[in-house]
Amino acid sequence: GNSVTQMEGPVTLSEEAFLTINCTYTATGYPSLFWYVQYPGEGLQLLLKATKADDKGSNKGFEATYRKETTSFHLEKGSVQVSDSAVYFCALPLSTGGFKTIFGAGTRLFVKA
Amino acid sequence: DTAVSQTPKYLVTQMGNDKSIKCEQNLGHDTMYWYKQDSKKFLKIMFSYNNKELIINETVPNRFSPKSPDKAHLNLHINSLELGDSAVYFCASSQGTDRGRNTIYFGEGSWLTVV
Repeated sequence: GNSVTQMEGPVTLSEEAFLTINCTYTATGYPSLFWYVQYPGEGLQLLLKATKADDKGSNKGFEATYRKETTSFHLEKGSVQVSDSAVYFCALPLSTGGFKTIFGAGTRLFVKA
Repeated sequence: DTAVSQTPKYLVTQMGNDKSIKCEQNLGHDTMYWYKQDSKKFLKIMFSYNNKELIINETVPNRFSPKSPDKAHLNLHINSLELGDSAVYFCASSQGTDRGRNTIYFGEGSWLTVV
């Protein structure tokens, strides 16, 4: 069936470290892929997205490339800041059987000064 | 102006009570949702409405009843609250359901605690 799997957290990094959060998916066809971010006490908000294979989404220094051959959409950032501490969700919109977006389990990131 | 607003933000209530959460979006979107987030941050869709019509009911107990009086509003009523209903409930919306219009905009959440 359709699913999204992302690496378990928490991930703890020092400021300016390199970040990777892995996300793989299972789906029929070639869906769009999203990363959402949830800051403490807030709702989720779109971080970036890619709508087709080999597309790269980017925002706020974060990047993710839609890799059809490995069914992956890993999130990366070259130099994290304390303000990046949040929970990150990989998401897969499905158009079969109605419409819904399924979310990965979330990866909590802590960045230390 | 808040794009997706929901009230109340915090709700503490006793088991067995009935409560409602209201949601409004001012984005002109066609599709609205309710999501439930548990204490481990796991996010699960409950309901999806498109142009006031229910399109997804994700095996949610009958005690949960959504109501969409118009495209901009989607309220959630919960009967006979149970301890396991304690969670954060997010209202959300998207332009539509097709590619290019399916970015989801979330409200700030309603923290429900059942005691």
